[in-house]
Amino acid sequence: KQEVTQIPAALSVPEGENLVLNCSFTDSAIYNLQWFRQDPGKGLTSLLLIQSSQREQTSGRLNASLDKSSGRSTLYIAASQPGDSATYLCAVGAGSQGNLIFGKGTKLSVKP
Amino acid sequence: GAVVSQHPSWVICKSGTSVKIECRSLDFQATTMFWYRQFPKQSLMLMATSNEGSKATYEQGVEKDKFLINHASLTLSTLTVTSAHPEDSSFYICSASSVANYGYTFGSGTRLTVV
Repeated sequence: KQEVTQIPAALSVPEGENLVLNCSFTDSAIYNLQWFRQDPGKGLTSLLLIQSSQREQTSGRLNASLDKSSGRSTLYIAASQPGDSATYLCAVGAGSQGNLIFGKGTKLSVKP
Repeated sequence: GAVVSQHPSWVICKSGTSVKIECRSLDFQATTMFWYRQFPKQSLMLMATSNEGSKATYEQGVEKDKFLINHASLTLSTLTVTSAHPEDSSFYICSASSVANYGYTFGSGTRLTVV
């Protein structure tokens, strides 16, 4: 059974710092891996999608890497801003139909 | 980009009543829709997968007679929580995918509180 773990559960950093969020999964047979942002009481915003054949994706200040063999992914956020404060979710695509298995998330707080 | 509209965003209902949540894909045809549930401080858990025109596939432990899913068209799926109880209070969120859609698009979620 696929399990997704995110470390740390919470993180507080001063504005401007670079930071790394970690995600690990137990079964390397994944279709893809996706990082989302969730604001309190709101839905999910897709940040980056990495297909199983890819090793990384970049969008603006965000960079996500994928190492299938070790079951790990990292989300790197450069020059963090208060507006980055949110819960970041990692999810692996585990089935051919596209269902996702989520981690519990990392709650990020960026202090001005 | 792909947009999924989910309504209502929040609902409070009395125990024993039924609540319907709608999920619409606005600018693409969603061949498959997923319904997730998130309890406080827990991860999103898949409840069921629905394909247009066919019965939904429920995850283990999810009562299909309690959580009725209808995916009658390529742009609309509904989740009805029947005879709701306080333990059904949760955050429900839908996701849609299509052959042409790259990645998964999520609705904004529905906060259900049963009193």
